[in-house]
Amino acid sequence: EDKVVQSPLSLVVHEGDTVTLNCSYEVTNFRSLLWYKQEKKAPTFLFMLTSSGIEKKSGRLSSILDKKELFSILNITATQTGDSAVYLCAVSTGNNRKLIWGLGTSLAVNP
Amino acid sequence: DVKVTQSSRYLVKRTGEKVFLECVQDMDHENMFWYRQDPGLGLRLIYFSYDVKMKEKGDIPEGYSVSREKKERFSLILESASTNQTSMYLCASSPGLANTGELFFGEGSRLTVL
Repeated sequence: EDKVVQSPLSLVVHEGDTVTLNCSYEVTNFRSLLWYKQEKKAPTFLFMLTSSGIEKKSGRLSSILDKKELFSILNITATQTGDSAVYLCAVSTGNNRKLIWGLGTSLAVNP
Repeated sequence: DVKVTQSSRYLVKRTGEKVFLECVQDMDHENMFWYRQDPGLGLRLIYFSYDVKMKEKGDIPEGYSVSREKKERFSLILESASTNQTSMYLCASSPGLANTGELFFGEGSRLTVL
């Protein structure tokens, strides 16, 4: 059975800290891995990763995929209170019509 | 920018009522999805559609049906609402052939069934 596991489930840090969120997966016919950020409402897209070892970066956020070890990490440096959210990882398989979702990591950044 | 619009942000219904949740997207996407999101259970796929009048069951279709009469519109129907269908419902869309897996989400509809 396809599955995506995120860790930790929740995390509390102070502003300025660096955090690393983990996403491991076991799926057949891997196509891509996606990271989303969810605040009060709908998830918003952060990154899509398809190739191992190539870092995607957007401001203080970065992510990398390891297709041999079947995991991805999302790094957030110099965290701010606005980074407080649930971070969701999902893997697309086959024809990309369905995503396999992790349960998310709830990040709280305290001032 | 892609826009996915869900008709109702908050609804309160009574047990046994019929509930319609509407979703419209403006980017000519082939694929549309309905999810529900519950604490501790994450996002669970109810139904999806990859073309007009086509639908496929997701992981938890029981108690739900869908309709896709036009490409831009995907409706979720609860024929007889029950309290265990109290949840956040999220609609999403994605392109067909150019699909990379990225989904575009609506704002969500929070349904409470009393």
